[in-house]
Amino acid sequence: KAGVTQTPRYLIKTRGQQVTLSCSPISGHRSVSWYQQTPGQGLQFLFEYFSETQRNKGNFPGRFSGRQFSNSRSEMNVSTLELGDSALYLCASTGGRGADTQYFGPGTRLTVL
Amino acid sequence: GESVGLHLPTLSVQEGDNSIINCAYSNSASDYFIWYKQESGKGPQFIIDIRSNMDKRQGQRVTVLLNKTVKHLSLQIAATQPGDSAVYFCAENGGSGAGSYQLTFGKGTKLSVIP
Repeated sequence: KAGVTQTPRYLIKTRGQQVTLSCSPISGHRSVSWYQQTPGQGLQFLFEYFSETQRNKGNFPGRFSGRQFSNSRSEMNVSTLELGDSALYLCASTGGRGADTQYFGPGTRLTVL
Repeated sequence: GESVGLHLPTLSVQEGDNSIINCAYSNSASDYFIWYKQESGKGPQFIIDIRSNMDKRQGQRVTVLLNKTVKHLSLQIAATQPGDSAVYFCAENGGSGAGSYQLTFGKGTKLSVIP
């Protein structure tokens, strides 16, 4: 099976812009989670989607949003970018039925200038 | 909020020796724990997991120990190899509802293997 794929791998934006990141889960996986990784804060949970519904949400401002499509692919959007949004954004997928391993993609490196 | 933390930020071991990476967690309600390995430029890679109804679980060259009394988790790597050099994260799942995921990660321990 192909692993979790994320596009783009690298992205440079300027403050105030918005960005959309994409994640394709492992075939058959219905749960997709997003995480932000920074040197200062480490890995932090953003949100989880299952069957097109947000099931869990972390403590991030409303500028961070996401969605999931019927084919389980997911996108996350960050509006009005700030310098502090520079990070590695990771997507992970599982079957979503409990006791399932969560597999991570390679991440999208976002740099905000 | 509650968080997962690591005791040691860096660990250097000689090739062939055993490594032990420790982790403390604070959410006594957590019932699922995972260890991940992250190499430079890559996403976290699953190593091993354990549920709260177990004290120990073994994989290939790795063992995870869970002590619920003191809320402590450890990862043991036997016969450490240069390819084991990476940052290791422990994580606990606080997702609401069966099968849901909301992982809280520790800060990570950098393991360096000396050839």
